[in-house]
Amino acid sequence: DTAVSQTPKYLVTQMGNDKSIKCEQNLGHDTMYWYKQDSKKFLKIMFSYNNKELIINETVPNRFSPKSPDKAHLNLHINSLELGDSAVYFCASSQRGSDTQYFGPGTRLTVL
Amino acid sequence: AQRVTQPEKLLSVFKGAPVELKCNYSYSGSPELFWYVQYSRQRLQLLLRHISRESIKGFTADLNKGETSFHLKKPFAQEEDSAMYYCALVPGGGADGLTFGKGTHLIIQP
Repeated sequence: DTAVSQTPKYLVTQMGNDKSIKCEQNLGHDTMYWYKQDSKKFLKIMFSYNNKELIINETVPNRFSPKSPDKAHLNLHINSLELGDSAVYFCASSQRGSDTQYFGPGTRLTVL
Repeated sequence: AQRVTQPEKLLSVFKGAPVELKCNYSYSGSPELFWYVQYSRQRLQLLLRHISRESIKGFTADLNKGETSFHLKKPFAQEEDSAMYYCALVPGGGADGLTFGKGTHLIIQP
């Protein structure tokens, strides 16, 4: 009965590869998000998405792209991985934009 | 653009002592303010939001619009309070996601 789940939990890959992280929520929420937590524990919004609108943080490289097959899923695709992409990526969801957000367990990405 | 400032990167207090984690924000409108907590290697979870005005695990936070602050307080710290604490805001009615402060690592010493 996990509310927000992510797979995989750990991802180790080589520079230049393309990878995806999956996120699913079973809360019936309308809005989903991706956040990046760097090695200093700083958390930064990458994307927010509902059925109608994708809001992209302007600092996110276009190698990152969210894909939403349906309302319950928001996957994160990353092309041409770089060393600086190593971080923990958190998915979250909320009923509306200003409501409490529920976070997934995180995916620790390590780029070698 | 909005900003959240948590001036203390690390705060260490003894068990039973009062705790105050500071948070200041800048935003031209009326934001929603939150405190999230992350225990070691766990997901972020909501601790408080200002509109609910409730106390969770003994923590309280009052929104002071004049000082643009949302400090988190607890009168008597417990060892299980050791964690990373993040103050965050969402622009009123917005879907831009949370803007987080840089977090304060709270350590409660026995």
